[in-house]
Amino acid sequence: DSGVTQTPKHLITATGQRVTLRCSPRSGDLSVYWYQQSLDQGLQFLIQYYNGEERAKGNILERFSAQQFPDLHSELNLSSLELGDSALYFCASSPRTGTDGYTFGSGTRLTVV
Amino acid sequence: QKEVEQDPGPLSVPEGAIVSLNCTYSNSAFQYFMWYRQYSRKGPELLMYTYSSGNKEDGRFTAQVDKSSKYISLFIRDSQPSDSATYLCAMRVGNNDMRFGAGTRLTVKP
Repeated sequence: DSGVTQTPKHLITATGQRVTLRCSPRSGDLSVYWYQQSLDQGLQFLIQYYNGEERAKGNILERFSAQQFPDLHSELNLSSLELGDSALYFCASSPRTGTDGYTFGSGTRLTVV
Repeated sequence: QKEVEQDPGPLSVPEGAIVSLNCTYSNSAFQYFMWYRQYSRKGPELLMYTYSSGNKEDGRFTAQVDKSSKYISLFIRDSQPSDSATYLCAMRVGNNDMRFGAGTRLTVKP
């Protein structure tokens, strides 16, 4: 157990729907990162939050949004889902927004049908 | 050209072999270099972390960074079947987000 908790582990939903993925970072970690992993794209950075504030944005679609709450857990919202959004979504955390390595959760496998 | 290039393999070796995994990159500003190991259906776990050029050894694992050639390597000595996983290189510039390679799938056969 890495200490980073992601729920749910699996999600199957239809095109056009909206889902929310949840992440609880490792105790004491202030930074949360969201990544998308698909077979042909590898790990793609989506967005980072640090202590409740958005810190960096990667290749995140406008249909996707995220937030980090005062208790430091984070949610990734995916809307108007398309078949191509099917992927593994990973959350990672680190103590600061500095130069530490990340601790990853086990991921949420999203299947859009 | 991708910022970080990594041969996806797959790579298959017999138990006990020395494994060499490599990545090249284009951004000379990268300062921090990492290797992650990812088992099937699990999240990546940090294996090695190095700053700038040089070597770092941890047990059977050695990470090398050659900034002049923009090339990093991970060597696994006396490879074991339990080393079978996907290995991802990663790198970052200061506080910026981390860039990952595509990952190399390794199988160590008993």
